[in-house]
Amino acid sequence: RKEVEQDPGPFNVPEGATVAFNCTYSNSASQSFFWYRQDCRKEPKLLMSVYSSGNEDGRFTAQLNRASQYISLLIRDSKLSDSATYLCVVNTLTGGGNKLTFGTGTQLKVEL
Amino acid sequence: ETGVTQSPTHLIKTRGQQVTLRCSSQSGHNTVSWYQQALGQGPQFIFQYYREEENGRGNFPPRFSGLQFPNYSSELNVNALELDDSALYLCASSLLSSPYARYNEQFFGPGTRLTVL
Repeated sequence: RKEVEQDPGPFNVPEGATVAFNCTYSNSASQSFFWYRQDCRKEPKLLMSVYSSGNEDGRFTAQLNRASQYISLLIRDSKLSDSATYLCVVNTLTGGGNKLTFGTGTQLKVEL
Repeated sequence: ETGVTQSPTHLIKTRGQQVTLRCSSQSGHNTVSWYQQALGQGPQFIFQYYREEENGRGNFPPRFSGLQFPNYSSELNVNALELDDSALYLCASSLLSSPYARYNEQFFGPGTRLTVL
């Protein structure tokens, strides 16, 4: 089983739609969670950090369910500029230190 | 912009050669992490340096090595290059309060695209 799993998509949605991405992680000792956005051939950019049960920032809401080892990202009122790949990231503290594990990403295409 | 810079932006090498990639962290950050991203995949963790010490390593062979300098900039060295090493190499910087800090928000540089022929 992969450490971090995401539906690769693509999700094709009309402008204004609400879209939700799901992510599961395998290591119950994981401490903190992030969503990054990556545009084509660019570096990942931090979108949201999730340290407790959830976080909201404008049109974006992230939720964490530690019991189910599940993280979600909800985007409301999608814009064309939201088109990108969304990466689910899990931070785990190991004996050797700190480690971020990325999912393979979910591709979103917002259309007119 | 994150303030994290990487050089060079692109590089072409042949199999068996050695390469050094460089990263300057964001001002005030003390930790640098390196990732390899193949096409269509998420970034894969190579290793992390906290205050000049290795602070975690992913499943990469010893020919991947690194260094962090007193100014917290960093190098990634790859020896005996293989074709599969062709990828985007990303550096990310963060400010950790300790090697085991839970709050590990990382900010990425633009990456170095390495092609091995």
